[in-house]
Amino acid sequence: EAGVAQSPRYKIIEKRQSVAFWCNPISGHATLYWYQQILGQGPKLLIQFQNNGVVDDSQLPKDRFSAERLKGVDSTLKIQPAKLEDSAVYLCASSSDLPEQFFGPGTRLTVL
Amino acid sequence: KNQVEQSPQSLIILEGKNCTLQCNYTVSPFSNLRWYKQDTGRGPVSLTIMTFSENTKSNGRYTATLDADTKQSSLHITASQLSDSASYICVVDMDSNYQLIWGAGTKLIIKP
Repeated sequence: EAGVAQSPRYKIIEKRQSVAFWCNPISGHATLYWYQQILGQGPKLLIQFQNNGVVDDSQLPKDRFSAERLKGVDSTLKIQPAKLEDSAVYLCASSSDLPEQFFGPGTRLTVL
Repeated sequence: KNQVEQSPQSLIILEGKNCTLQCNYTVSPFSNLRWYKQDTGRGPVSLTIMTFSENTKSNGRYTATLDADTKQSSLHITASQLSDSASYICVVDMDSNYQLIWGAGTKLIIKP
């Protein structure tokens, strides 16, 4: 069974630039999550999708972050414009109707 | 405030030795308590998931315990191996809204 795929693995941009991350969940998993993990901290949920609907985006900085999952499968997370404090690893996870979440390898973003 | 606190922050042990990592939480009520292993540069991988009514769960050399009265959990690693070097994160599922509360993790280093 293929795992959660994410790209790119690494991205370096300058502040005020835009960036987008892509995630393809495990086939058949209805729930998709985007997390932000700052070095030395646990992951923080940014947004949770159930199929193509948003379940929770309470911690998503909506003035600069956006996410979509148009066809209920893969998803993109965008930051526009990026700030220095956005430097982090962005993790995508998916789950079926069971509580276990399966994580992708993450995208490490560095904002200079 | 719903929080998950882990100790120690970091730990260094010799290969072959046992160790125990601690997790204290203030989340109430909760449905599940999870332990994840996160290798450097990788996404978290689930080790154990316990419901609030379970006291212990094992996964190979990993054994998690849960005391819902004292709101404490521990992860015991037996006969450590070099591949156990990673961060171990404790996560609690809030029962009210299914939100996950993540700890900051314990960074474990196994030395030969």
